Amino acid sequence: GQNIDQPTEMTATEGAIVQINCTYQTSGFNGLFWYQQHAGEAPTFLSYNVLDGLEEKGRFSSFLSRSKGYSYLLLKELQMKDSASYLCAVMDSNYQLIWGAGTKLIIKP
Amino acid sequence: DTEVTQTPKHLVMGMTNKKSLKCEQHLGHNAMYWYKQSAKKPLELMFVYSLEERVENNSVPSRFSPECPNSSLLNLHLHALQPEDSALYLCASSQEESSGANVLTFGAGSRLTVL
Repeated sequence: GQNIDQPTEMTATEGAIVQINCTYQTSGFNGLFWYQQHAGEAPTFLSYNVLDGLEEKGRFSSFLSRSKGYSYLLLKELQMKDSASYLCAVMDSNYQLIWGAGTKLIIKP
Repeated sequence: DTEVTQTPKHLVMGMTNKKSLKCEQHLGHNAMYWYKQSAKKPLELMFVYSLEERVENNSVPSRFSPECPNSSLLNLHLHALQPEDSALYLCASSQEESSGANVLTFGAGSRLTVL
């Protein structure tokens, strides 16, 4: 079967750095997405990786290793507003999105 | 305008009621989706409409019935639901690309409670 694993919950301190990992086992691979979802709000797109390596976008970076079935989302200079759930999703060979259950990130002052 | 609008935000219904969830997108996208989001579970894709044609999803119970009146509107008709159907129902839209970088724009969701 197809599976996406990510930690259920993480806690970090304001101003620090946090890395949220995502491992996947899917039927084929056509890209990996990260979305952010604040409580009671719509998920919003953060990043898309289809080739190995690091994609940087401001304070957020996303890394992909296709050979290891692994990605991470790196958040730098954490702010209180970064408290949210972070969803990892992989597009399989049929262009279907397979979703992880999300990682709830709690930022403490 | 909010890009993907869902109504109502909250809905409480009994198991014998008939109700509908509505979704409208203002992005000119060619695909629309219904997802179910339950606590601590992955998003579950329920239905996809691509160019107003429905992509079948045989795992969804018939008590959920989608309708796509036009390319910017998507409804989800609900009838004889069960308490386990209580969840957040998210609508999304996208512009389908051959490259696979199919970014979804979500609505804020309709929180459904079945009593």
